[in-house]
Amino acid sequence: DSGVTQTPKHLITATGQRVTLRCSPRSGDLSVYWYQQSLDQGLQFLIQYYNGEERAKGNILERFSAQQFPDLHSELNLSSLELGDSALYFCASSRRGGGTGELFFGEGSRLTVL
Amino acid sequence: GENVEQHPSTLSVQEGDSAVIKCTYSDSASNYFPWYKQELGKGPQLIIDIRSNVGEKKDQRIAVTLNKTAKHFSLHITETQPEDSAVYFCAASINTGTASKLTFGTGTRLQVTL
Repeated sequence: DSGVTQTPKHLITATGQRVTLRCSPRSGDLSVYWYQQSLDQGLQFLIQYYNGEERAKGNILERFSAQQFPDLHSELNLSSLELGDSALYFCASSRRGGGTGELFFGEGSRLTVL
Repeated sequence: GENVEQHPSTLSVQEGDSAVIKCTYSDSASNYFPWYKQELGKGPQLIIDIRSNVGEKKDQRIAVTLNKTAKHFSLHITETQPEDSAVYFCAASINTGTASKLTFGTGTRLQVTL
């Protein structure tokens, strides 16, 4: 158990809809990261937050947005969903915001868009 | 941006044999290279990492080597066991001190057969 909690574990929705994925980091971790894992593209970095502030951005679509709240949990909002958004979405956390050090991953939220 | 290539995509070895997974990266400024193991239905978990000021690091049956000149790094697993069966990801990042943006390879599915 990494200590990172993601909900929901599974989500099935239709094209055009909007969903919210939630992540609670490990106790004491200030950074939260979101990754998308699809079959053909491995783990793609979406975005990083550190203590409520956005720190790094990857290939995150404009239809996607995220935020980190004062209690350090984070939410990833996916809107105007398309079939290609079907994937596993992982949240990870770390103690610091810097570029080295272990990321602790949750078990992921599997999104299926029909 | 950084691009990480990983080979092979699948690897089957007999129990007790060694396994080698190779990665190359594109950005010479990258200075942190972790390896993650992902078991079925779980999130990736860090197994070993290496920083650019070190050429080799070993932890029991696992070792990682780094060739900065060639921008190559490799994972070596000796005396493989069935529980080593999983998907392994290499990654690279640049330590900015304030942000982290791990770029992952596409993964290697390792199967250890009896």
